[in-house]
Amino acid sequence: GESVGLHLPTLSVQEGDNSIINCAYSNSASDYFIWYKQESGKGPQFIIDIRSNMDKRQGQRVTVLLNKTVKHLSLQIAATQPGDSAVYFCAEGLYSGYALNFGKGTSLLVTP
Amino acid sequence: DTGVSQDPRHKITKRGQNVTFRCDPISEHNRLYWYRQTLGQGPEFLTYFQNEAQLEKSRLLSDRFSAERPKGSFSTLEIQRTEQGDSAMYLCASSLRHASIDTQYFGPGTRLTVL
Repeated sequence: GESVGLHLPTLSVQEGDNSIINCAYSNSASDYFIWYKQESGKGPQFIIDIRSNMDKRQGQRVTVLLNKTVKHLSLQIAATQPGDSAVYFCAEGLYSGYALNFGKGTSLLVTP
Repeated sequence: DTGVSQDPRHKITKRGQNVTFRCDPISEHNRLYWYRQTLGQGPEFLTYFQNEAQLEKSRLLSDRFSAERPKGSFSTLEIQRTEQGDSAMYLCASSLRHASIDTQYFGPGTRLTVL
């Protein structure tokens, strides 16, 4: 079936640098995309979402970019901090639906 | 804490036993979801409720899995005759279905280990 995947399984960045986590999706019908952060032993924590009628959305230190032409989603984290170390998942679905389809995740490691 | 809560946080059981997990959603959230997450993978959707109605259950993993939300508030997920392959993290999420937003917020999960 169609799936969501991530380009990089692990990403190591230095504290203070900007991080970019990428995600490819293949279900062209998806119109809702979400990024979650998951720390060890915890449930996924909502970071930011975007609907397909937008190509960019900004939050606090985070920006999500959506390129529907190439079915690509990215999460940018500005001034990465040690507390940002976690696994990041992108998920896609239908805004009118219910089930989210998650990718495998990217592990972000922030080094001092 | 007004987030999604799950109980227990950890459950160890022997193969063949039945287990039940509880989820308390964020107050006034009308949708409740169950997901399963195995090591190194993203969460996998199982089922969901809108108020007390279970609107999707075809993706429950087998007929050994069942879920209820009797009064439209808390929910339970039961696994009968557990198997070692059922070992995973079981996540609950809730959302408030609204015209402009339907963000799913997750609980801490229940980690199940089947010996």
